[in-house]
Amino acid sequence: GAVVSQHPSRVICKSGTSVKIECRSLDFQATTMFWYRQFPKQSLMLMATSNEGSKATYEQGVEKDKFLINHASLTLSTLTVTSAHPEDSSFYICSAWLAGGNYEQYFGPGTRLTVT
Amino acid sequence: QQQVKQSPQSLIVQKGGIPIINCAYENTAFDYFPWYQQFPGKGPALLIAIRPDVSEKKEGRFTISFNKSAKQFSLHIMDSQPGDSATYFCAATKNQAGTALIFGKGTTLSVSS
Repeated sequence: GAVVSQHPSRVICKSGTSVKIECRSLDFQATTMFWYRQFPKQSLMLMATSNEGSKATYEQGVEKDKFLINHASLTLSTLTVTSAHPEDSSFYICSAWLAGGNYEQYFGPGTRLTVT
Repeated sequence: QQQVKQSPQSLIVQKGGIPIINCAYENTAFDYFPWYQQFPGKGPALLIAIRPDVSEKKEGRFTISFNKSAKQFSLHIMDSQPGDSATYFCAATKNQAGTALIFGKGTTLSVSS
């Protein structure tokens, strides 16, 4: 299957600082990537849809100025959590569509963000 | 219209048993129904998916049954093993580029040895 990577896998930052998370499709090009947030023992919550070369589309209730998304190339999307606070601590997961007969969506391994 | 309802929330079976996880959707425009398996601290992994033009699909020990008229689909795990213990998510979407998946709430499966 297609491979999606994320970096870093874990990050601890202090309250008020910014953190950047990278999502890469390693063996395919992805015009669209998605960013999800997952709290313990809960389902994945879609945060935004990231389209290469254009502005991201954010879901209702997600602060676009706090969660900056950039999709500068067909293999890389980044999520920057600005002025992070403890309530932003969560598991962030990206995914990418593999275009083809079924447009299968593949997920990265996730990034555990802890804000102290 | 956008919800995917998944049940049960948790499931415990013995090794060799056949756990069944059910999902129901409302939006008749959905035409792609994948199942994902997630282990703690890992991202979801695509397990198997089905389109509404077939009623069943098998891949190894995993089978999806699909009932278009009832708008329901289910995952069956044959000969379940302790290594199958994980959280399983069903999802649905309109199968076109750029369309996000709508996920169920997940089912935590425990397979005892």
